[in-house]
Amino acid sequence: EPEVTQTPSHQVTQMGQEVILRCVPISNHLYFYWYRQILGQKVEFLVSFYNNEISEKSEIFDDQFSVERPDGSNFTLKIRSTKLEDSAMYFCASSPSGAGVNEQFFGPGTRLTVL
Amino acid sequence: LAKTTQPISMDSYEGQEVNITCSHNNIATNDYITWYQQFPSQGPRFIIQGYKTKVTNEVASLFIPADRKSSTLSLPRVSLSDTAVYYCLVVGMDSSYKLIFGSGTRLLVRP
Repeated sequence: EPEVTQTPSHQVTQMGQEVILRCVPISNHLYFYWYRQILGQKVEFLVSFYNNEISEKSEIFDDQFSVERPDGSNFTLKIRSTKLEDSAMYFCASSPSGAGVNEQFFGPGTRLTVL
Repeated sequence: LAKTTQPISMDSYEGQEVNITCSHNNIATNDYITWYQQFPSQGPRFIIQGYKTKVTNEVASLFIPADRKSSTLSLPRVSLSDTAVYYCLVVGMDSSYKLIFGSGTRLLVRP
């Protein structure tokens, strides 16, 4: 069964450093998403991406964040200058279409720890 | 998007049927009810989705009354591996693409 993969599984970084989280969505999916979950809290939407551009972003997704689909398979989330409060699990998801009624397939997540 | 309310936690025993109810009083005509499951340190996983009446798949059943202001996820004969957080979400055909997760219901299945 196809699945979303994410690398690395755990990333430790110093405050102020840039990090890039990588995701490989399911191959025939067209819509891609990033969510994050701070330990013990809700899963929060960050951004959705379709046709090589951002479809929607949340208030969390400020200028420190960016997303890119550099090739036909990878989907990345970059945090330019990490803060302590960026420590969280980051989940990538993909769906065949963007309509809400289509399920989103989530990856296993990247645990980001900012020291 | 309609706000959802569900119990914070539930306890059950192996082999029992578990019913988790979610209220969504402000659901819109084009909204669907969707349930996700999340195990610790894993991404959410889609369980089931419905619009009205009853939907059943190999994992669960979803009951939606005629007024659609609530829904009930039914898990038949739970096992220890069903211990997880269950999220009720309302998603719409013409709404944005994002999923809005609440706090979910933490289900603990005991032996």
